[in-house]
Parts: sequence; structure tokens; C-alpha cells
Amino acid sequence: GESVGLHLPTLSVQEGDNSIINCAYSNSASDYFIWYKQESGKGPQFIIDIRSNMDKRQGQRVTVLLNKTVKHLSLQIAATQPGDSAVYFCAENKGNNNDMRFGAGTRLTVKP
Amino acid sequence: GAVVSQHPSRVICKSGTSVKIECRSLDFQATTMFWYRQFPKQSLMLMATSNEGSKATYEQGVEKDKFLINHASLTLSTLTVTSAHPEDSSFYICSAEDRGNEKLFFGSGTQLSVL
Repeated sequence: GESVGLHLPTLSVQEGDNSIINCAYSNSASDYFIWYKQESGKGPQFIIDIRSNMDKRQGQRVTVLLNKTVKHLSLQIAATQPGDSAVYFCAENKGNNNDMRFGAGTRLTVKP
Repeated sequence: GAVVSQHPSRVICKSGTSVKIECRSLDFQATTMFWYRQFPKQSLMLMATSNEGSKATYEQGVEKDKFLINHASLTLSTLTVTSAHPEDSSFYICSAEDRGNEKLFFGSGTQLSVL
């Protein structure tokens, strides 16, 4: 069942520094992964995705790395800005639909 | 870009009443919509998958008689929390799959508080 009172892992960085947020996924059969950003009281916002036939994908200021051997995903944010402060979730997909399963999330705080 | 509208954004109700939450795809057709629940400081947990014109598929542990899902059109799915109790207080989020490009878009969420 769900636990009450869990605290999200947190990452605090200085404005302008690079951030790395990590995620371990559960299913070796997952073939599609998405990183989402969620601000307080809002729904998740798509950041970047990657398929299992790739190990790296770059977007604007963001890079996702996928290590299928150890089932690990990371999100790198370059030159982190205060507006990047949010909770970041990785999500995995186990089939041919959009049934996304979310990881635990990491709270990123950017200090000015 | 594609927009998913979720309404209401916030609702407070008395214990024992029912609450309906709407999820609309504004500029695309959504054959599939998903409903999630998120407790404070926790992740999104999938509750059910809603397919237009058919019965929803519920995740293990989610009571289908308590969380009624209707997906009567390609642009609207509703989640009704029946006989709500304080433990149902949570942030409910929908997502919709664009039939045309299979991309997924999220609503802005509904904060339900049951007194």
C-alpha cells in the first residue's frame, strides 16, 4: 500500500550550476522513458523522453542518459535556473501504449 | 500545443458526498485517458485506464465502485468519487493520449479535500 509522510529526495544547487537527477526504474522490459517536471499544485510537464534503443538524448539545456544494464536513468540540467525548481519524476512505459508508471520523484531547489 | 483541461482545479466537500472531476482534450481526440492519484510528497499512482466507449481498466487495489469512470466521447472522461471520505483527499490528475500522434498530455490536476 501507499505510505504516508514520505519525504521526497531533495537536491539543492546554486543557480548556474549543473544538476543531475537520478532515477532507478523497475522493469527491464520497459522501452520508453520520460522525465517530467511538476510544480506545486500542477500536473506533470513533459521535459524529455528516450527510447531503449538509445543511451543519450539531448534537448535544450537538458540531457537524459539511459543505462539499461543497471536500469538507471538520469536527467542533467545545464546552467540551472530558479525556474527549474520543482519536483522531477521519471516515468517508464512497459508496453505499446501510454500507460506510464512514475518513479518516486526528486525535489530540486535552486538557490539564487 | 495540445491542451488537456481538468475541472475543477480544487474542490472541498463533506464526507459522504460524491464529487465529479472532468478531463477534456481541447484540440485533439483522445481514445485513451488515464487517471492518477497523488498524495502529498508522493509520486503519481495510476488508478485506471479509460478507453472511449468501453469500461475502464482499474489498477489493483482501486475500487471501481468507488471511483466511477466514464469516457463517453473522444474528448471527455469523468472520474466520480462516490461517497467520499477524508482518506480520499488527494490530488487527482488525468492524462490523455492524442489519437493522432500517440503523445500523452496531462491535465493540471484537481485537489480534493473531504471534510
